[in-house]
Amino acid sequence: QVQLQESGPGLVKPSGTLSLTCAVSGGSISTPNWWTWLRQPPGKGLEWIGEIYHSGNTNYNPSLKSRVTISVDKSKNQFSLQLNSVTAADTAVYYCARAPNVDVGGFDYWGQGTLVTVSS
Amino acid sequence: ETVMTQSPATLSVSPGERATLSCRASQSVSNNLAWYQHKPGKAPRLLIFDASTRATGVPARFSGSGSGTEFTLTISSLQSEDFAVYYCQQYYDWPPYTFGQGTKLEIK
Repeated sequence: QVQLQESGPGLVKPSGTLSLTCAVSGGSISTPNWWTWLRQPPGKGLEWIGEIYHSGNTNYNPSLKSRVTISVDKSKNQFSLQLNSVTAADTAVYYCARAPNVDVGGFDYWGQGTLVTVSS
Repeated sequence: ETVMTQSPATLSVSPGERATLSCRASQSVSNNLAWYQHKPGKAPRLLIFDASTRATGVPARFSGSGSGTEFTLTISSLQSEDFAVYYCQQYYDWPPYTFGQGTKLEIK
């Protein structure tokens, strides 16, 4: 059973950088899946941030592209999110998830989510 | 970007009854649509993909239908554990993948 677990600071200062890591267990990150970051601001819906393949190929949400970097560390079986120049609007529960490249559409495994608050 | 609109925002249904949730896309997404169940403090759970295929382990009381721009999630006989927020998501027109704003299914 694949499991994903987010980790990182729960509080980030405005104009700073949000950094989160998603550890993947129960399976290799070097499989035909897109490893994904999403978020949900308080009281709002889900927003897709971007994704990475184990080869390092990435796709980003155009609305966030200028501030986002997603990277993968195959040796640690994990992938990471960096979001620069954060504001209060970036306060959200951040989720990592898996999108299979074949057979299954959507996101079939998710982490529990981690709340990140942007505040001074 | 494809905008997904769910209705109603809140649906009140009694246990044992049928619930019907709707999702509309601003342009055709073919059958590239998924449904998720989300409970507070938990990870979202994939229920349906390709508009009508149940994900592994999902009970048969959950069914999805539709194609193009109109989709429906039906829960045939509501159990207590089914009360949650449900989201639809398209994966036809990306980036970005987009979600509906959710339907809260509450106990009547």
